[in-house]
Amino acid sequence: GQQLNQSPQSMFIQEGEDVSMNCTSSSIFNTWLWYKQDPGEGPVLLIALYKAGELTSNGRLTAQFGITRKDSFLNISASIPSDVGIYFCAGLNYGGSQGNLIFGKGTKLSVKP
Amino acid sequence: GAVVSQHPSRVICKSGTSVKIECRSLDFQATTMFWYRQFPKQSLMLMATSNEGSKATYEQGVEKDKFLINHASLTLSTLTVTSAHPEDSSFYICSATSLGADEQYFGPGTRLTVT
Repeated sequence: GQQLNQSPQSMFIQEGEDVSMNCTSSSIFNTWLWYKQDPGEGPVLLIALYKAGELTSNGRLTAQFGITRKDSFLNISASIPSDVGIYFCAGLNYGGSQGNLIFGKGTKLSVKP
Repeated sequence: GAVVSQHPSRVICKSGTSVKIECRSLDFQATTMFWYRQFPKQSLMLMATSNEGSKATYEQGVEKDKFLINHASLTLSTLTVTSAHPEDSSFYICSATSLGADEQYFGPGTRLTVT
């Protein structure tokens, strides 16, 4: 089945540093979504990407939908302690009448003050 | 953004009993709701997809008679774990989307512990 390879699995960075994570797949996706999940909570949507090549920002977050439609990256600039959490990429394809999300395995981000 | 709620947030039940989890879209009509389960330190695994007014579509390996899903209105879907066993202990998360939209908005999750 379809799979997303998300890397890195975990990151330990100093406050103020920039962060980059990415997802790749052997399959093409129509939409890429990036979520953040705090412990014991549901994922919160950060950025949605709809077109190949699209670059979208949300505050300190920037994400891009790869030209091949098989990859996406998320950058966080000037990290702060509240950025700590697990970041998931998710690809959306349409099978039948509705779309199903395929999730990456997550990137756990730790920020040292 | 769109708000999705889940109730309860935590539940502990005895083995053999049934537990119902509710998922509500608070400020939009959810034509489709999804149910996921998440084990510790793992990603979300889709269990089933439900469209309002029709039967849920279950993913391979998910027992439809054990995980009963009802999506009776555009703002409410329920997941009932029947005859729960300790291995059903997990974090259950719902998400909702509206017609024509790609984004799924997630509820805060329900932590189920079966003793």
